[in-house]
Amino acid sequence: SQQGEEDPQALSIQEGENATMNCSYKTSINNLQWYRQNSGRGLVHLILIRSNEREKHSGRLRVTLDTSKKSSSLLITASRAADTASYFCATGRGATGRRALTFGSGTRLQVQP
Amino acid sequence: DTAVSQTPKYLVTQMGNDKSIKCEQNLGHDTMYWYKQDSKKFLKIMFSYNNKELIINETVPNRFSPKSPDKAHLNLHINSLELGDSAVYFCASSQGGRQETQYFGPGTRLLVL
Repeated sequence: SQQGEEDPQALSIQEGENATMNCSYKTSINNLQWYRQNSGRGLVHLILIRSNEREKHSGRLRVTLDTSKKSSSLLITASRAADTASYFCATGRGATGRRALTFGSGTRLQVQP
Repeated sequence: DTAVSQTPKYLVTQMGNDKSIKCEQNLGHDTMYWYKQDSKKFLKIMFSYNNKELIINETVPNRFSPKSPDKAHLNLHINSLELGDSAVYFCASSQGGRQETQYFGPGTRLLVL
């Protein structure tokens, strides 16, 4: 399986509900990031949490990181139809000079109006 | 202003042809990347350049050759295109540090017939 696997693969909720997505990874990391991808578009950075942080907020987004379980969660509160997109976690790790992120396959979120 | 731009947006071509995709960033970043996103939305790093120097070269067929004429540009040339090369190719850039936030272009949708 891949570094940075999201769960669930797909999620459908009603507008106003909260959406929770999970990400698991296998190796030690420097940071973990969440990105959003609208259909037919590039990825947009949402939030970065470092390995020494446990929780971070940004607007309606809340990210947690549990390095002992090698997992992270992304919570979107009071969801809107415009939140419909695929959400990817990406881990930053590796030797000095290696700067690429490792992405999972994403959670497809559908918010019904 | 577009931060990371790619051309063309769509590319339809025949097997065996050679094609190039261009990427430019106006963010002043020193690192640029090429990612490939397959039909299952899995995003995988192909190459990374830092100040025109190749620093990551994943297991990619040598039909793929990146070129960075300056730190604001990273092009991808593909020789002898195969059906399996059909995917969306994303360029991204980042600044300094290790595995920090990346900024993605809109993608180039390549279809090999």
